[in-house]
Amino acid sequence: QVQLVQSGAEVKKPGASVKVACETSGYSLSSYAIYWVRQAPGQRLEWMGWLNADSGNTRYSQKFQGRVTFSRDTSAKTVYMDLSSLRSEDTAVYFCARDRRIMISGVKSDYYYGLDVWGQGTSVTVSS
Amino acid sequence: QSALTQPASVSGSPGQSITISCIGTSSDIGSYNHVSWYQQDPGNAPKLIISDVSDRPSGVSSRFSGSKSGNTASLTISGLRAEDESHYFCSSYTSRSGLEVVFGGGTKLTVL
Repeated sequence: QVQLVQSGAEVKKPGASVKVACETSGYSLSSYAIYWVRQAPGQRLEWMGWLNADSGNTRYSQKFQGRVTFSRDTSAKTVYMDLSSLRSEDTAVYFCARDRRIMISGVKSDYYYGLDVWGQGTSVTVSS
Repeated sequence: QSALTQPASVSGSPGQSITISCIGTSSDIGSYNHVSWYQQDPGNAPKLIISDVSDRPSGVSSRFSGSKSGNTASLTISGLRAEDESHYFCSSYTSRSGLEVVFGGGTKLTVL
């Protein structure tokens, strides 16, 4: 079945970087975009951006621009989220999720149609 | 970050219907039919239950329905069951600069 399985929990010091992996299975990675969303303790979900898993094109939330990088390894069917210059406010659970809308000819749709498959989440704790 | 507004909690008895509202703006819900609803239990990933305002993904109970009027989207759960007790949150495409998606703060549904 379609699954997204994320890497394990991380504890980082302020100023460090973290890389979260999202391994896909059960579908063609290049047919869908992958979104990244985070949820800080007691807070609402927050959109970080997406990766076109076919072209590698990305779009980032302005809030994270310059600090976040999405990438993929098509042979490993895995997508990655790299967040640098970590601060305590980055303590959160990070989710990868698949765009519900299949891409046509590798082109991601202009809008948001919902996220139909989610990873289990990766807890990132930033603490000195 | 711009956000959608939901009630913190709602409750209902088994068999009843409840509605959860999600208030946005003309930059999101008011201008686009790209509203999704999710169900999330503590410690778990969200589950998509409604997309594009009122479409139900395969496998989602027909007791869940969505609608929109102006800047407000709504999720209705009919024939409440104990298993519906969960957190529900809305999300929408937004045209605000620097963003694509905004989320609501979530609503805790208690089945009495």
